[in-house]
Order: sequence, then C-alpha cells, then structure tokens
Amino acid sequence: AQSVSQHNHHVILSEAASLELGCNYSYGGTVNLFWYVQYPGQHLQLLLKYFSGDPLVKGIKGFEAEFIKSKFSFNLRKPSVQWSDTAEYFCAVTPYSSASKIIFGSGTRLSIRP
Amino acid sequence: EAGVAQSPRYKIIEKRQSVAFWCNPISGHATLYWYQQILGQGPKLLIQFQNNGVVDDSQLPKDRFSAERLKGVDSTLKIQPAKLEDSAVYLCASSSDGNQPQHFGDGTRLSIL
Repeated sequence: AQSVSQHNHHVILSEAASLELGCNYSYGGTVNLFWYVQYPGQHLQLLLKYFSGDPLVKGIKGFEAEFIKSKFSFNLRKPSVQWSDTAEYFCAVTPYSSASKIIFGSGTRLSIRP
Repeated sequence: EAGVAQSPRYKIIEKRQSVAFWCNPISGHATLYWYQQILGQGPKLLIQFQNNGVVDDSQLPKDRFSAERLKGVDSTLKIQPAKLEDSAVYLCASSSDGNQPQHFGDGTRLSIL
C-alpha cells in the first residue's frame, strides 16, 4: 500500500542552523510530491511541489526540496532557519495518474530557538 | 482571493450524538476534499468531490459518516452517531482540479465526551 514516512517527529534547531527534514514514500509509479506547512494557529498551506522536470524544487520562504527517485525521497531543506519557521511540516504524495489518492506523512514539528 | 471557509471552528458533543460540518470552497474550485486529522497524525482523506460527484470515498466510514455537495459548491460532512475515536480536526480543502495543489480551511476541532 502507498505510504509516506517522516522519520523526524520533532526537530529543535537554533536560528541560522541548516535544516533538512526527511520524507520517504512507497509507490512504484510516477508521483506528484508536496510539502505543506502549518504555522501555529494557521491553516495548512503549500510550501512547494514537484510534478516533473528539475528534481530540485524551490518554494516559498527560502525552502527547497530534492526529489531523488532512486531513493523514493523528497527531503525538505533550508540553509538558514529563522524563528518564524517554527511550524509543523507535512510531506504528501499522490500517484501521477490519480490525484485523489493523496497520502500525507505524520508530520514533523520544527521548533526554532531564538 | 477568499480562502476556504469552514464552520464551526470548534464543536463538543457527547458520544452517540450527531454533528455536521460545513465547508465553502474557493470560488471556481471544482474539487473539494474532506480530511480527518487525529492528534499527532497527518491528514487522512475521507472523501473527494469533483463538482457534485464523488471521486473517492474509500476511506469514509460509511456506517456513520456521510457527505454531500449537492450543487457543486459548498459541502457538508455529517457524523451520526459519533464515537470517541472521532475526536479530531476535520479539514476541508479545495483545488481547481484534482491535479492541482489544495487550499485548506482552518478546520473544525471536534471533541467527543
């Protein structure tokens, strides 16, 4: 069955540290990949997406993610985090042929020490 | 652009009671989704509509949950009767079509006593 794994449940960093959040999925076919973010008290919003083309995707607020097909991974990165990046981050996957079958990971809570 | 509207924001009921949630998607968005998000987990898709038709309801517990989108715009999700394990945040999302990123509402936090 299709699944998404986010192995880091809670990550704590200091400001200016570099960030990498892991996301691995299990699905044998072509996929669309997403990272969503939920800031405290706000709704889920799209951070970035990968449909096809360049596997290095740039999103809002300096975030980027790299799709590595051979590793079934779509890790989220940011070179220097800010206190305002404190939020919960969700990776999500849909099979390319069936956008309805979206599966979310369990999320990673990111806490930034000022 | 106005976002996805949901109401109520919070609801507290006793088990075996019924409850309904309402969602108004972004204007012009044909695809509407209902998710259940249990504390500590990611959102789980319950049902997806394309206009007023159901695209996917494979994870909807149909013995107690129902949803409709009669005119292809707003939608309601109902639980009858509620169980303790239904305590969760119920999220509504919409997109222009099923392949586009989704826009989420603020959700309804349901607590079952």
